[in-house]
Amino acid sequence: KNEVEQSPQNLTAQEGEFITINCSYSVGISALHWLQQHPGGGIVSLFMLSSGKKKHGRLIATINIQEKHSSLHITASHPRDSAVYICAVDTDKLIFGTGTRLQVFP
Amino acid sequence: DARVTQTPRHKVTEMGQEVTMRCQPILGHNTVFWYRQTMMQGLELLAYFRNRAPLDDSGMPKDRFSAEMPDATLATLKIQPSEPRDSAVYFCASGSPRGRGYEQYFGPGTRLTVT
Repeated sequence: KNEVEQSPQNLTAQEGEFITINCSYSVGISALHWLQQHPGGGIVSLFMLSSGKKKHGRLIATINIQEKHSSLHITASHPRDSAVYICAVDTDKLIFGTGTRLQVFP
Repeated sequence: DARVTQTPRHKVTEMGQEVTMRCQPILGHNTVFWYRQTMMQGLELLAYFRNRAPLDDSGMPKDRFSAEMPDATLATLKIQPSEPRDSAVYFCASGSPRGRGYEQYFGPGTRLTVT
């Protein structure tokens, strides 16, 4: 069993839909990261969080340390949100999930 | 604005050749990470440095890979000799401490193809 599990693996949505990507982990962590990788390959760090909730524009990330679970939400999704979203947990080194491929259609 | 830079962006080489990838971290960041991404394995950590000292290189095949940080503005990842299974995208990231973790900024990656 992987130490970091993401679901779903693939997700398609219509523009405007609310999207949720989930991440569960089985190890003790100091922080959790959400990363975005666009088709061109570049990786952008969206959030780093250790507790609670963070919001940046239309993106919201939450984490429940007791349940070892985090969610990334996208409100009012747009085609430019199409990317792979990767969850990574910080255990003194990063362990990555396999990513969720999101496609948002107009 | 400050960015992590990596060179070269693309490298095609023959099996057995030496490959050197370079990374310039963001000025002031004290931690540098090397990652590898393949279709099969996804993203995985190879090694990281803090204040130029290697902290963890357990993800790196020691017999052929070496990572160094000769000064605060340059990190290198070397493969000698290269093999076709080393074909991947290699990312460098630099980080600054924030709270209990490190906020990381990724470079554009070096796409390596070994034939």
